[in-house]
Amino acid sequence: GENVEQHPSTLSVQEGDSAVIKCTYSDSASNYFPWYKQELGKRPQLIIDIRSNVGEKKDQRIAVTLNKTAKHFSLHITETQPEDSAVYFCAAWSGANNLFFGTGTRLTVIP
Amino acid sequence: EAQVTQNPRYLITVTGKKLTVTCSQNMNHEYMSWYRQDPGLGLRQIYYSMNVEVTDKGDVPEGYKVSRKEKRNFPLILESPSPNQTSLYFCASSLRGGGYTGELFFGEGSRLTVL
Repeated sequence: GENVEQHPSTLSVQEGDSAVIKCTYSDSASNYFPWYKQELGKRPQLIIDIRSNVGEKKDQRIAVTLNKTAKHFSLHITETQPEDSAVYFCAAWSGANNLFFGTGTRLTVIP
Repeated sequence: EAQVTQNPRYLITVTGKKLTVTCSQNMNHEYMSWYRQDPGLGLRQIYYSMNVEVTDKGDVPEGYKVSRKEKRNFPLILESPSPNQTSLYFCASSLRGGGYTGELFFGEGSRLTVL
């Protein structure tokens, strides 16, 4: 089955700096890669996603890049704000029609 | 309002006492799934269902059962709970499996403690 690895497990940045979280996947048939944000005590919520036929997608301060050849994708947050502090999960929909999550990155934005 | 509803939200029980965590969605979604979340381990899938009467094991199915008799409901059953099943559980649904429609909607979570 699919194996999704996520790094780093924790990340601290100064407010206004950029944050980058990286994930790799193993199943070359995986075709859809969402990112979820989970605030403390809340449910995970989708913040951005990318499909396998696209290399990059942006939504305001958030962007995701995908390298299918290398089987890795990354989340980029620019101009970080304290409200960006949360746990972020990458995920991959595998060729077996199932969604596999990374182990999460705890992002702390220091005011 | 479109939502995934789980009950109970919090439960403390004892080893061996059967329990069911209910999950219901009102979005006519075909795909439903259960995850458990433990510190440092992320979200691990327990069982998933592609449609009514179609269920399959995820990564950590041992000790759990599910059923999908109706499209909207996907209960998680712990026949004989043990302390290692103490966890935060999330139910989630999507229009279809395979990522065709993007977003997986999560319930609010059920925090289960087994003594």
